[in-house]
Amino acid sequence: SSELTQDPAVSVALGQTVRITCQGDSLRSYYASWYQQKPGQAPVLVIYGKNNRPSGIPDRFSGSSSGNTASLTITGAQAEDEADYYCNSRDSSGNHFVVFGGGTKLTVL
Amino acid sequence: QVQLQESGPGLVKPSETLSLTCAVSGYSISSGYYWGWIRQPPGKGLEWIGSIYHSGSTYYNPSLKSRVTISVDTSKNQFSLKLSSVTAADTAVYYCARQLTTVTNYYFDYWGQGTLVTVSS
Repeated sequence: SSELTQDPAVSVALGQTVRITCQGDSLRSYYASWYQQKPGQAPVLVIYGKNNRPSGIPDRFSGSSSGNTASLTITGAQAEDEADYYCNSRDSSGNHFVVFGGGTKLTVL
Repeated sequence: QVQLQESGPGLVKPSETLSLTCAVSGYSISSGYYWGWIRQPPGKGLEWIGSIYHSGSTYYNPSLKSRVTISVDTSKNQFSLKLSSVTAADTAVYYCARQLTTVTNYYFDYWGQGTLVTVSS
């Protein structure tokens, strides 16, 4: 199996840029996808693939990857971006398993 | 617009079987894609439980595999989760979601609202 590691908490000043990272061996072979979850709500997909945004996701959200680390960047963070962010990927074992990171709580100051 | 809706008992006794159904609208399950179950214990992160292809092929989280069964009913356009021998550790919000798979990416694009299942006597 595989594990994805995220920092538990990150903060950013309003209007500034923040990077949320996700580390794991599977990311050397597979892309990470990213989800935003606000309290009491279901997760929402914000980035998938190399750097793709579903319809309706603001272009201030972007994704990148290098080695075993994937990153979600929010350029010009807004108050409404305060949420939990989760990464996920395919497991590197080749068994079609799915893995999630532990999540990062983003605070917009 | 694809919509998913979980349904099932909100309270299950320890050692019994948790059963949930996910009704899909706006898309025919038999047309393709994988369909997955994900859970989230209160105050904790997301955990993948397992996924099923429209043909019935299944993949389960190894940590839950011995207790999980996921099935699909294309005639009703729904899929189901059964988790046996539950304990308090299985208390969580359970989500169903559509899973897209490519050679390099597995991700969930549409999610249900989630349903809280509490395991307690």
